[in-house]
Amino acid sequence: GAGVSQTPSNKVTEKGKYVELRCDPISGHTALYWYRQSLGQGPEFLIYFQGTGAADDSGLPNDRFFAVRPEGSVSTLKIQRTERGDSAVYLCASSPGISYNSPLHFGNGTRLTVT
Amino acid sequence: AQRVTQPEKLLSVFKGAPVELKCNYSYSGSPELFWYVQYSRQRLQLLLRHISRESIKGFTADLNKGETSFHLKKPFAQEEDSAMYYCALRVTGANNLFFGTGTRLTVIP
Repeated sequence: GAGVSQTPSNKVTEKGKYVELRCDPISGHTALYWYRQSLGQGPEFLIYFQGTGAADDSGLPNDRFFAVRPEGSVSTLKIQRTERGDSAVYLCASSPGISYNSPLHFGNGTRLTVT
Repeated sequence: AQRVTQPEKLLSVFKGAPVELKCNYSYSGSPELFWYVQYSRQRLQLLLRHISRESIKGFTADLNKGETSFHLKKPFAQEEDSAMYYCALRVTGANNLFFGTGTRLTVIP
């Protein structure tokens, strides 16, 4: 079946602009996660949703970052007033639930470049 | 605070040789540990998890609480094992994963 889909695959924006990154999870997966991966680093947790609500947003670096999942399926990560340091690959993952037996299924990521 | 350390950024072995990718963690509670793999041009995917005590594609990993390690091992490396490997930790009561910085394994034919 279809995996986690992220759009766009690449996004180039100018410093100070606003961007939205979209994630379509696997159908039926209730949990959705956003990670950020900078060059040479492992994925860094940003936020996760259980259903429509953000169950843990402790990884969001500052208030320029915000994410929503209004209907419990598609999620959008929003970044305001982008900075060059925001350049990274943004990964989305989903899982059927939140137990140990629910491994994360990752998308291909969106590569964000802030010029 | 929890932390995952993968000391080797790059590791090269010859085909047929044993391979060990190191992972150490720091966490005061009872950890859940995972290995994720990313093959060239593919997405990050789960390789194995410590509770399952499984062998996937010939890889095994044993949780050593005394040494706080979860090293990934394979007795005979294959060319198709060349990939980026990430060790990850989930803490009790949380659902996000903490990842190490990864090790790029290259198996030389």
